Amino acid sequence: ETGVTQTPRHLVMGMTNKKSLKCEQHLGHNAMYWYKQSAKKPLELMFVYSLEERVENNSVPSRFSPECPNSSHLFLHLHTLQPEDSALYLCASSKDRTSGRTDTQYFGPGTRLTVL
Amino acid sequence: RKEVEQDPGPFNVPEGATVAFNCTYSNSASQSFFWYRQDCRKEPKLLMSVYSSGNEDGRFTAQLNRASQYISLLIRDSKLSDSATYLCVVNDGTWTGANNLFFGTGTRLTVIP
Repeated sequence: ETGVTQTPRHLVMGMTNKKSLKCEQHLGHNAMYWYKQSAKKPLELMFVYSLEERVENNSVPSRFSPECPNSSHLFLHLHTLQPEDSALYLCASSKDRTSGRTDTQYFGPGTRLTVL
Repeated sequence: RKEVEQDPGPFNVPEGATVAFNCTYSNSASQSFFWYRQDCRKEPKLLMSVYSSGNEDGRFTAQLNRASQYISLLIRDSKLSDSATYLCVVNDGTWTGANNLFFGTGTRLTVIP
């Protein structure tokens, strides 16, 4: 399935590096999400964009910076990360509620991030 | 308090067995409920939505009890390919543009030959 794609699939970075994660959805959705999944923890919602506007930021540290240039693309810019930020970062998309009541989110394959 | 609670398992069952997973949620305003499946090192994928009247999809049956804030998933005639982690998911009950979901930690199922 290629509805939601993410690049890179794996990333190793040092604490002083700057990198970006990219997500693209081909489903015609207008809401996009970033989640963090750490071992033995539930998915943690980081950011939500609806109609290209950020509507949710769950107290995420400023070293994570999202960008949503259009409804099909979402980025997560990373800088000065910590080793505890190592996790699987998942992007998801869904229809916005203005399109009708559908809450199903479709996930990309994720970027497995390791911070050294 | 966790928004969604699940028994993490693991559940190890023989092929052909029936297995049931349970989940409770804390937000009485939640309106949408789902079971997602996540294979090892893969992304979560929607297994089925859960409706108040209960719903069935082949070997999978989902039930919702709003009064008890309880959701269940029943898998009949387990297959080896059912081995995965099953995530209980509920929405936050708000009506903002996007659909905020809360995920449980998941229940790990292994079906044994």
